[in-house]
Amino acid sequence: DAGVTQSPTHLIKTRGQQVTLRCSPKSGHDTVSWYQQALGQGPQFIFQYYEEEERQRGNFPDRFSGHQFPNYSSELNVNALLLGDSALYLCASTTSGPGETQYFGPGTRLLVL
Amino acid sequence: KNEVEQSPQNLTAQEGEFITINCSYSVGISALHWLQQHPGGGIVSLFMLSSGKKKHGRLIATINIQEKHSSLHITASHPRDSAVYICARNHVGGADGLTFGKGTHLIIQP
Repeated sequence: DAGVTQSPTHLIKTRGQQVTLRCSPKSGHDTVSWYQQALGQGPQFIFQYYEEEERQRGNFPDRFSGHQFPNYSSELNVNALLLGDSALYLCASTTSGPGETQYFGPGTRLLVL
Repeated sequence: KNEVEQSPQNLTAQEGEFITINCSYSVGISALHWLQQHPGGGIVSLFMLSSGKKKHGRLIATINIQEKHSSLHITASHPRDSAVYICARNHVGGADGLTFGKGTHLIIQP
């Protein structure tokens, strides 16, 4: 089992551009959450997808959007990139239901210049 | 004020010392998580607990629901334990995203 995988590992973009990050959940998991981790900070919850729908959303603007596919993989899209969007983006998967352990991917490090 | 507070923010100790990291939270939870993050970003889930105490090897996690407080202990610490330890909570009834503390940066010196 490959666990949670994310691509790409690193990415450099310029302000105003758009970016798509990808996540494949751990085998058997149907729920994917995305987090943003700025340098020196704890991760911040962006949103969670279950059954191809956004189930819950954190305090992030509409520039951040996502998608979940029938195979449970997920994408995070960020439009009109700002310098402050530079961060490590983490994907975590779990099975549906309260209080299940989340398994994290290695993250995608995004740098916006 | 962050809903999940950790202390200390930074901790440097000598190999073999007993380590305690504290976490307090301000709202009800369904579960409290302790995670470990190494340089480069990878996060590993150490414990998920909703009551009492859990032990895995040299790591022990406790939680007091009434006091909204949890602790992570490391016995016989080793330099390979050096990492950021993060506390995070689910909401009550929450099949949802985690709310994280800012983490405790632990360095164990040989």
